[in-house]
Amino acid sequence: GESVGLHLPTLSVQEGDNSIINCAYSNSASDYFIWYKQESGKGPQFIIDIRSNMDKRQGQRVTVLLNKTVKHLSLQIAATQPGDSAVYFCAENRTPNTDKLIFGTGTRLQVFP
Amino acid sequence: GAVVSQHPSRVICKSGTSVKIECRSLDFQATTMFWYRQFPKQSLMLMATSNEGSKATYEQGVEKDKFLINHASLTLSTLTVTSAHPEDSSFYICSAPDRAAGKLFFGSGTQLSVL
Repeated sequence: GESVGLHLPTLSVQEGDNSIINCAYSNSASDYFIWYKQESGKGPQFIIDIRSNMDKRQGQRVTVLLNKTVKHLSLQIAATQPGDSAVYFCAENRTPNTDKLIFGTGTRLQVFP
Repeated sequence: GAVVSQHPSRVICKSGTSVKIECRSLDFQATTMFWYRQFPKQSLMLMATSNEGSKATYEQGVEKDKFLINHASLTLSTLTVTSAHPEDSSFYICSAPDRAAGKLFFGSGTQLSVL
């Protein structure tokens, strides 16, 4: 029979190009956001986080942008490498003062030579 | 650095049996831990919050009698899938917050396959 299920959106980029992965969140009370990378068969790996009192945070090759007005979060990866290929999830803390995270739907990043 | 260990990484069981998954914080103590479930090509869905010394808090729609959670010590939480059925086949992931580090760490996950 026909299989029914969600399919992750996919972003394909060439090695060396910059990648931008987007995420929309729904709860204006969320005060903490995290981007995770997940490789097949493994648990999520922390990439970068940002609190709601900031609109930009930079790490090594990664930048997270937060637009609270439109409830939008993005992850920018500079000079994308084959090792960056994975599924990326944004997560939000909807319950302040707890560590309870709600994950977004995810985006698969494919890097081709 | 802080590590969260999850065991087993993969388990295959017969329908109707129960399966226990362990989540340990190796370098830190955690009064709360979290259990997630992930189906193929989907996101992580929070199942429950495990509370050391008290009852777990389950998310809406998660059967507490089917997914038994025990957090008997500050470094160990267990999730038992009781009377497992094929539809329970999924990737189960735990996480624990390291307060000192200010970070949430995830286990490597357990792939459960129920035949």
